[in-house]
Amino acid sequence: QKEVEQNSGPLSVPEGAIASLNCTYSDRVSQSFFWYRQYSGKSPELIMSIYSNGDKEDGRFTAQLNKASQYVSLLIRDSQPSDSATYLCAAGRSYIPTFGRGTSLIVHP
Amino acid sequence: GAVVSQHPSWVICKSGTSVKIECRSLDFQATTMFWYRQFPKQSLMLMATSNEGSKATYEQGVEKDKFLINHASLTLSTLTVTSAHPEDSSFYICSASDRNYGTSGGGETQYFGPGTRLLVL
Repeated sequence: QKEVEQNSGPLSVPEGAIASLNCTYSDRVSQSFFWYRQYSGKSPELIMSIYSNGDKEDGRFTAQLNKASQYVSLLIRDSQPSDSATYLCAAGRSYIPTFGRGTSLIVHP
Repeated sequence: GAVVSQHPSWVICKSGTSVKIECRSLDFQATTMFWYRQFPKQSLMLMATSNEGSKATYEQGVEKDKFLINHASLTLSTLTVTSAHPEDSSFYICSASDRNYGTSGGGETQYFGPGTRLLVL
């Protein structure tokens, strides 16, 4: 069974710090990886997608993928209180990725 | 780009009635649409996957006769909750993907609608 594991948190970081969110996946042939942000009471919104090993940067966000270790992470630099949300990791090899349960991030002033 | 809308955003109904939720991809053609349900403080639960013009594929444990899905066009999918009961109260979210849309490396990205909050009294 395909699984995507995330620590539920909450992960608490001070404003301005780097928040590091981690995710592991069980399906070795997964090819596509996504990070979504979900604010309380809202639907998920896509932050980043990554398909190749290594780092991918977009503004304050950096996604890191290590297929050998079946590990994907999201770094948020200069964390802001507005980044406080649940972050969902998704992995897949078809057009139906599997979602993790999400990690709650709290950025305190 | 990649905007998905849902209507209504909120619905309150009496037990036993049916409720229809619409999901539209506004600026792309969605080859596949997905319906999720999310209970408070729980993860997304995939209910079904639908491709335009074909029957939906339901996840295990989801009653296809209770949750009717129609994907009549490349931009519209509907979910009808038939004979709704209080335990069906939840946050229903659709998403859409287009295998020809998205960043390099794939078109599998799912774009989510804003969700529909259903309360059955």
